Amino acid sequence: DARVTQTPRHKVTEMGQEVTMRCQPILGHNTVFWYRQTMMQGLELLAYFRNRAPLDDSGMPKDRFSAEMPDATLATLKIQPSEPRDSAVYFCASQEANYGYTFGSGTRLTVV
Amino acid sequence: SQKIEQNSEALNIQEGKTATLTCNYTNYSPAYLQWYRQDPGRGPVFLLLIRENEKEKRKERLKVTFDTTLKQSLFHITASQPADSATYLCALIRSYNTDKLIFGTGTRLQVFP
Repeated sequence: DARVTQTPRHKVTEMGQEVTMRCQPILGHNTVFWYRQTMMQGLELLAYFRNRAPLDDSGMPKDRFSAEMPDATLATLKIQPSEPRDSAVYFCASQEANYGYTFGSGTRLTVV
Repeated sequence: SQKIEQNSEALNIQEGKTATLTCNYTNYSPAYLQWYRQDPGRGPVFLLLIRENEKEKRKERLKVTFDTTLKQSLFHITASQPADSATYLCALIRSYNTDKLIFGTGTRLQVFP
């Protein structure tokens, strides 16, 4: 089965450091999403792209977060500088039109 | 803003019984609603999608209903098995003009032998 690949699976970093998370969506899926999951808030949409163009990043703290899709095979989410409250699991998902999302396994981020 | 409510308490049922999970939403009716399964340490896995003009959808042992009057979706697993134990997430999309999927917080299902 085709899958969404995320790297790294786990990341522990110190407060103030830059964090970059990567995602390889399924080939042919033209919509890519970044979600954050915490126990308190559940799954929150941070940003999404269609055909590599950013469509909505209203869920993302703009001062420290940035999301890009340099090509159809790579989406990135950066946090700079990172803070302890950013600790969460970050999921990437891609979608075939009018169907369900396919999620990656996530990046578990811990900021100490 | 749209709010999605799922029972935060775990649902414990015996193997072989039918599990029924509830998803209630407020405000506007969504264009369509989806159900996902999530296992610990994994990403959500898509199960079923139901559109606003559909009342029921089935897939093997799974059944989803959608009542736009009650603003509620029910998710049923018949002949439940211990392997069905997981967290089940309800999610909705507001309109056909957007791809933004809003998730509920999920309900944990535990099926015991």
